[in-house]
Amino acid sequence: QKEVEQDPGPLSVPEGAIVSLNCTYSNSAFQYFMWYRQYSRKGPELLMYTYSSGNKEDGRFTAQVDKSSKYISLFIRDSQPSDSATYLCAMSYNNDMRFGAGTRLTVKP
Amino acid sequence: DAGVIQSPRHEVTEMGQEVTLRCKPISGHNSLFWYRQTMMRGLELLIYFNNNVPIDDSGMPEDRFSAKMPNASFSTLKIQPSEPRDSAVYFCASSPGDQPQHFGDGTRLSIL
Repeated sequence: QKEVEQDPGPLSVPEGAIVSLNCTYSNSAFQYFMWYRQYSRKGPELLMYTYSSGNKEDGRFTAQVDKSSKYISLFIRDSQPSDSATYLCAMSYNNDMRFGAGTRLTVKP
Repeated sequence: DAGVIQSPRHEVTEMGQEVTLRCKPISGHNSLFWYRQTMMRGLELLIYFNNNVPIDDSGMPEDRFSAKMPNASFSTLKIQPSEPRDSAVYFCASSPGDQPQHFGDGTRLSIL
């Protein structure tokens, strides 16, 4: 079993849809939980991060962390074609960061 | 603000040649990371430095790979001799301590 599990997709949705991306993990020592967005031929871009269980909202994006279930989610509301990218979850403890495989998302106009 | 800067962006070279990848971290970030990304294996941590000192190099595939950080604003990753299986995108990332990492745009390496 991998330390971080993420469905690679691909996921295709129409413009305006709500997108839900998820990851599960096995190491309860993880403290930081992050979502990165990676466009083609670019580096991963930090989208959101949280340090604890709960929700964090930033515009159309909401990150959720449930430490008891070892489950994190990213919701994208009113999805736009510009959201088309690969989304990687990541989690870390003492600079030891683990990434999910990434979910490729396409938002169709 | 300038992000993490990597050079070159693309490198194509023949098997057996030495390859040197360069990274300038974000000013003030004291942790620096080198990753390799492939379709098959995703993002893999190769090595990370804290305050210019290598802390964990367990991800370095073999002795052909070496990394240095001579000062807080510069790091190199060398492959000598290079092999076709080293073809991948190599990313450098930096962070201020135990905070989320910020990535450069990578070096796309092709070994023929």
